Amino acid sequence: GAGVSQSPSNKVTEKGKDVELRCDPISGHTALYWYRQSLGQGLEFLIYFQGNSAPDKSGLPSDRFSAERTGGSVSTLTIQRTQQEDSAVYLCASSTLWGGGAGELFFGEGSRLTVL
Amino acid sequence: GDSVTQMEGPVTLSEEAFLTINCTYTATGYPSLFWYVQYPGEGLQLLLKATKADDKGSNKGFEATYRKETTSFHLEKGSVQVSDSAVYFCALLNDYKLSFGAGTTVTVRA
Repeated sequence: GAGVSQSPSNKVTEKGKDVELRCDPISGHTALYWYRQSLGQGLEFLIYFQGNSAPDKSGLPSDRFSAERTGGSVSTLTIQRTQQEDSAVYLCASSTLWGGGAGELFFGEGSRLTVL
Repeated sequence: GDSVTQMEGPVTLSEEAFLTINCTYTATGYPSLFWYVQYPGEGLQLLLKATKADDKGSNKGFEATYRKETTSFHLEKGSVQVSDSAVYFCALLNDYKLSFGAGTTVTVRA
């Protein structure tokens, strides 16, 4: 597809379970971001990838959160032993960081996670 | 660290009213500034941007001017429409990291 694709769009899970969220960025975009949007709050930066490496993981809230990116393309965000406070919409975005398009992030529609 | 502060909402307006959403920032160096918009049921999308001081970004009748002296990037539109109802986010890009404000919900009534 032409845009950033995220799956699942909705996920309901029980506290303590692990979840995986997937992001398929726009082809050719080297930069990939994960953000979290909680109800009534702004966008919280989680992690940034340039290619397959993550030079900035500073936004990951705890060691229960991890992310990887393979082949410079698809990324997965994994949350282990989910807690209720993890409930949020998880947004993925991709970008080119240089040239005229610098700074324009293209966002997916998000994965809404509900932890019961 | 970098931060963005924007006026709290919600903001409710009548059609054809003037809209201003204030945004100020704190950053090291020379960031680029953005406004993103999230329409109901849709993903975030770029509305406009400015990459250096005194630049004016504009799109869909919206404008914002990069003011380095006041560290501001206020969003304005002279005559809003119902279709402008959305959540608006101010953001800054410093190096690779895009930092967002909390968002302002705007509702335009016919």
